[in-house]
Amino acid sequence: GDSVTQTEGLVTLTEGLPVMLNCTYQTIYSNPFLFWYVQHLNESPRLLLKSFTDNKRTEHQGFHATLHKSSSSFHLQKSSAQLSDSALYYCALSDRMNYNQGKLIFGQGTKLSIKP
Amino acid sequence: EAGVTQSPRYAVLQEGQAVSFWCDPISGHDTLYWYQQPRDQGPQLLVYFRDEAVIDNSQLPSDRFSAVRPKGTNSTLKIQSAKQGDTATYLCASSLEGSYTGQLYFGEGSKLTVL
Repeated sequence: GDSVTQTEGLVTLTEGLPVMLNCTYQTIYSNPFLFWYVQHLNESPRLLLKSFTDNKRTEHQGFHATLHKSSSSFHLQKSSAQLSDSALYYCALSDRMNYNQGKLIFGQGTKLSIKP
Repeated sequence: EAGVTQSPRYAVLQEGQAVSFWCDPISGHDTLYWYQQPRDQGPQLLVYFRDEAVIDNSQLPSDRFSAVRPKGTNSTLKIQSAKQGDTATYLCASSLEGSYTGQLYFGEGSKLTVL
């Protein structure tokens, strides 16, 4: 079946260092739609980034990711971590067909902890 | 624009008790989802509706869980005879079919603890 894998459960970084959170996926969808959701403590998940275009970089709020269909990856990156980036980050997959776009399959999540 | 509203925010039950969670989606959103998020795990889809119709309930434990959306607006998720394994946050989300964004808007969640 379809699945999303986030290999790191916890990433701890010092403020100012670059961030990279890994995400790979498996799917039968011919047009996968990939997302990064962020969940701060005691809040609900909210969309950070999304993409369905192969090899095109997408950016938002200082974060960026590129969908690589050849390697089934959608890694999240940021050049310089901030304390406020501390949160749970979920990679998610859906089918780009419009009738099924919202049926998201989430990864296990990566907790990003930024230290001063 | 009001977001997705859920209630109650918290519930604590003994095993065997029942609980209902209520969700009011964003106005105009035709698709509504219920996700279960156990502690330290990603959200897992239980059921979703388009208008009043169930589109997929394959992951809903049908012997104890039920969900309805009778008028295609608000929705109720009910757990009968709760078990400790049901301890999780229950997230409601909504979206608009045909918006081609794929984005879900989540409510704040209903946190269930089963003792």
